Amino acid sequence: DTGVSQNPRHKITKRGQNVTFRCDPISEHNRLYWYRQTLGQGPEFLTYFQNEAQLEKSRLLSDRFSAERPKGSFSTLEIQRTEQGDSAMYLCASSLESVNTEAFFGQGTRLTVV
Amino acid sequence: GESVGLHLPTLSVQEGDNSIINCAYSNSASDYFIWYKQESGKGPQFIIDIRSNMDKRQGQRVTVLLNKTVKHLSLQIAATQPGDSAVYFCAEISMDSSYKLIFGSGTRLLVRP
Repeated sequence: DTGVSQNPRHKITKRGQNVTFRCDPISEHNRLYWYRQTLGQGPEFLTYFQNEAQLEKSRLLSDRFSAERPKGSFSTLEIQRTEQGDSAMYLCASSLESVNTEAFFGQGTRLTVV
Repeated sequence: GESVGLHLPTLSVQEGDNSIINCAYSNSASDYFIWYKQESGKGPQFIIDIRSNMDKRQGQRVTVLLNKTVKHLSLQIAATQPGDSAVYFCAEISMDSSYKLIFGSGTRLLVRP
């Protein structure tokens, strides 16, 4: 257990539905990241928060995706009008600004769009 | 648990032998290079990092070597144990880009008892 908690662990949804995932980072970590991982690939960066500010978004993050970190603590990732291509593992990671290279990952949310 | 490493190159080693996992990186401007271990059903776990101005760094049972001339990174695991079986990813970080991780392709390590 890394201390980063993600819920739910698994989500099966029908195409066109909206889904929301939650990430609770390690409490003192001010940096929070979302990544997406498909089978056989390394994680791909989606977005980054420093405290409550969303400072960077990948081109992978289409307008159907939105992420928030309202109080600089937990974060949510919402996908609207899900498509089959959204099926993947969504990983959250957090780190301390003073320790730039060691990110702690949660166990991920596995999304299956049917 | 689910498989992380379908269709990945696989390194099979005998328990107790040393393992060497290789990675080619693309961005010569990266400031840090990191190795992550990912077990089935889990998120990646930090193993060791190396700053771009170094060529070798040692940890507990692991050594990372960086060759900037050929953009090559390797992870050496001494006395490989069954618990080392996992998928290993190299990753890069640039200090001018939010310290996000850019992951390379992974290698599955299988340790034979």
